[in-house]
Amino acid sequence: EAQVTQNPRYLITVTGKKLTVTCSQNMNHEYMSWYRQDPGLGLRQIYYSMNVEVTDKGDVPEGYKVSRKEKRNFPLILESPSPNQTSLYFCASSLMAGGNTGELFFGEGSRLTVL
Amino acid sequence: KNQVEQSPQSLIILEGKNCTLQCNYTVSPFSNLRWYKQDTGRGPVSLTIMTFSENTKSNGRYTATLDADTKQSSLHITASQLSDSASYICVVRTPSGTYKYIFGTGTRLKVLA
Repeated sequence: EAQVTQNPRYLITVTGKKLTVTCSQNMNHEYMSWYRQDPGLGLRQIYYSMNVEVTDKGDVPEGYKVSRKEKRNFPLILESPSPNQTSLYFCASSLMAGGNTGELFFGEGSRLTVL
Repeated sequence: KNQVEQSPQSLIILEGKNCTLQCNYTVSPFSNLRWYKQDTGRGPVSLTIMTFSENTKSNGRYTATLDADTKQSSLHITASQLSDSASYICVVRTPSGTYKYIFGTGTRLKVLA
């Protein structure tokens, strides 16, 4: 089954404790992206990647890091989480090539609480 | 600046009624526009896609329209059901050269029995 898998789905952590949210897709998509969703603000892009070893900042990259060492994986790293990073996070991927219209496939979300 | 604006922010309707959601965009250049449905706490799922040359696209009870001249799109839901309660997000994508996704903030629809 074609899917984007995020882990963990729920996480409560404390300020300053490094954490990683994993994202994996099995559709051989070039494009992968991370978003955070906060009430009233919609989905905001954190980082995106158009291929292996190619990453770029989105609209709200501060406090986050990413890596794209393999095509299928795109982990989101919070080196020193702070309470303002409490949010619902989504990973998404899409096929860029071959005239495809670029439908984004989203994971189920990771709800993060930083105390 | 590339922007996507949606209206209304929220909407409450009775089951069985129709409704129309609006999306205005200033994104240029434009590749396509998608409407996504997002159930509470879940990831968004694509409903319809409109390219520059398309005016209307249907997916069951969902019908999307696009006016590329005025840069407006609408999503019409016919004979609403309780399961239509969700947020509906308009997303515009730029062409391959830049490959950006511009998100609207969504319309939250509540269908009451």
